[in-house]
Amino acid sequence: QVQLLQSGPGLVKPSQTLSLTCAISGDSVSSNSAAWNWIRQSPSRGLEWLARTYYRSKWYNDYALSVKSRITINPDTSKNQFSLQLNSVTPEDTAVYYCARGKGIAAHSMDVWGQGTTVTVSS
Amino acid sequence: QSALTQPASVSGSPGQSITISCTGTSRDVGGYNYVSWYQQLPGKAPKLMISDVSNRPSGASNRFSGSKSGNTASLTISGLQADDEADYYCSSYTSSATLVFGGGTKLTVL
Repeated sequence: QVQLLQSGPGLVKPSQTLSLTCAISGDSVSSNSAAWNWIRQSPSRGLEWLARTYYRSKWYNDYALSVKSRITINPDTSKNQFSLQLNSVTPEDTAVYYCARGKGIAAHSMDVWGQGTTVTVSS
Repeated sequence: QSALTQPASVSGSPGQSITISCTGTSRDVGGYNYVSWYQQLPGKAPKLMISDVSNRPSGASNRFSGSKSGNTASLTISGLQADDEADYYCSSYTSSATLVFGGGTKLTVL
């Protein structure tokens, strides 16, 4: 059974960096048939896909245009996990952040989700 | 990338069928067979109900089905039950190699 366990701070100061980690059990971050995603949800923005990383003979990363200049996703094969870094945060980045596994024909359907982390950006 | 368009709310009585639409463009919904549907209960993470337009993953009820015509995808729930009451979201792969969600639809079972 695949499980994703998120960790990271729930409070981040404006202009600082938001960092979250998603630990994978029951699958591999290097899987050739999965993708590993970050998504966030807020009342004002709804569900918003942020980024994904996946391995197909080499590593690929894709980012949402809305955050592309501020975001980095990194796989960590030694710990079988992946991480999110979002720089220069503002109160607009306050949201529940989820990690999720992508599967299906081209790994675009997210079938396993983390428990969610509520992140508040405030001084 | 603009969000996909869903109705804000739909409702139906137990036993009835309802359909939720998800409208995009030729750069997302219309261009790829990579539309997914998610059910979200209050305070919970979304749950995948339909993948790749019409595939139902194990664990999803066979009362849920998906289809697509042009730039609009649809989720149909038949034999509506009280515990189907939830928020439903569609998502699609896009020509920018990203994913985009719909704004969500609140389903009320009368």
